[in-house]
Amino acid sequence: QSALTQPPSASGSPGQSVTISCTGTSSDVGAYKYVSWYQQYPGEAPKLMIYDVNKRPSGVPDRFSGSKSGNTASLTVSGLQAEDEADYYCSSYAGDNNVLFGEGTKLTVL
Amino acid sequence: QLQLQESGPGLVKPSETLSLTCSVSGGSIITNDYYWGWVRQPPGKGLEWIGSISYSGNTYSSPSLKSRVTVSVDTSKSQFSLSLSSVTAADTAVYYCARHVLLGTEFFDSWGQGTLVTVSS
Repeated sequence: QSALTQPPSASGSPGQSVTISCTGTSSDVGAYKYVSWYQQYPGEAPKLMIYDVNKRPSGVPDRFSGSKSGNTASLTVSGLQAEDEADYYCSSYAGDNNVLFGEGTKLTVL
Repeated sequence: QLQLQESGPGLVKPSETLSLTCSVSGGSIITNDYYWGWVRQPPGKGLEWIGSISYSGNTYSSPSLKSRVTVSVDTSKSQFSLSLSSVTAADTAVYYCARHVLLGTEFFDSWGQGTLVTVSS
């Protein structure tokens, strides 16, 4: 199975909203509600931002939201802040206890 | 607060076996609520799930790595381990251990800092 497809880059100005897509197939993203998103700063470990498509762990700002339509999941960051500049990875359960990650998107705050 | 810490050699020769250990502190490894997993990231590239294990030894591995991966657990030491055999330069990566929520959902909610393993002669 291939990695989930994400755009290599995304950008927005402070205060704006930006949406990052994550495209899979009917066997992974489209089949399960178990899509998660991770934020990663350079040289650091990933941090869970969204799970189960649209749930936020405690401590994650509500500026981060998730959604899914068909085989594509999305992460939206509203009210962009400089600290949101990072790499973002999606992940999906792919059945048979298999997990796929996306290729990653570098978010730049202009 | 749960803490995970990877340890092991930073340099492995081609065709040999990569071995890493993850030490869990601040919480019990003996829990029915979580699995314990390994994720890697080649330099400048994305994340890849390797495999996960329950405290009782139930394991799952990525289909693309399954033939070379062994994940084991030592509850007495609160540790779990990864062995990856027949390594090549393509296995050079930062290896992370993480707590894997895999019951009725799926995500990694707590991560170690990662350890770089280079495969080179």
